[in-house]
Amino acid sequence: SQQGEEDPQALSIQEGENATMNCSYKTSINNLQWYRQNSGRGLVHLILIRSNEREKHSGRLRVTLDTSKKSSSLLITASRAADTASYFCATPPDGGSNYKLTFGKGTLLTVNP
Amino acid sequence: GAGVSQTPSNKVTEKGKYVELRCDPISGHTALYWYRQSLGQGPEFLIYFQGTGAADDSGLPNDRFFAVRPEGSVSTLKIQRTERGDSAVYLCASSLMMNTEAFFGQGTRLTVV
Repeated sequence: SQQGEEDPQALSIQEGENATMNCSYKTSINNLQWYRQNSGRGLVHLILIRSNEREKHSGRLRVTLDTSKKSSSLLITASRAADTASYFCATPPDGGSNYKLTFGKGTLLTVNP
Repeated sequence: GAGVSQTPSNKVTEKGKYVELRCDPISGHTALYWYRQSLGQGPEFLIYFQGTGAADDSGLPNDRFFAVRPEGSVSTLKIQRTERGDSAVYLCASSLMMNTEAFFGQGTRLTVV
């Protein structure tokens, strides 16, 4: 079963705009991770945020985590056409190891040049 | 440096046939994972290897699925008596140790006709 659910399912924006994707999850977590996938193939790890962190930055990426609402958001600033991909949130089981990640269904982001 | 390599990249097989999917992890990575991704879904965990042993195979859907990693490096996912519902992208990932960042391969797209 899916632990995380991304919202929206699809997002289309113009180059230069910001893109925000949300993820809701059901059970307690010790961390939440965001991945990117191009053309339905290999996944690339973007960022990990721990349950005791509220916000984390990496380049043009900003991730927030609200454990009281069981939700996270991924913001991509100044988007580029090359950011077009599917984005997934993923969580390991609470108290468990990172290998057994549960992924959401993803948000398909299209950045138009 | 070489990343995780999966072969073949695409495989079409007839219902009822046996298939083997290969994963070459990054050299020196002790942890290896298999995930399966159906169309429009996020990846789902299948099995995790630490070294040569399957530390957690709880995600394998049934006994038609089996995976090995005899020398602690290359892994093979084996599917017997394939069914159309097995059609998916099979993703392999490896990490230096269990709780470190996982690097995914490009996947094998399996189509059962």
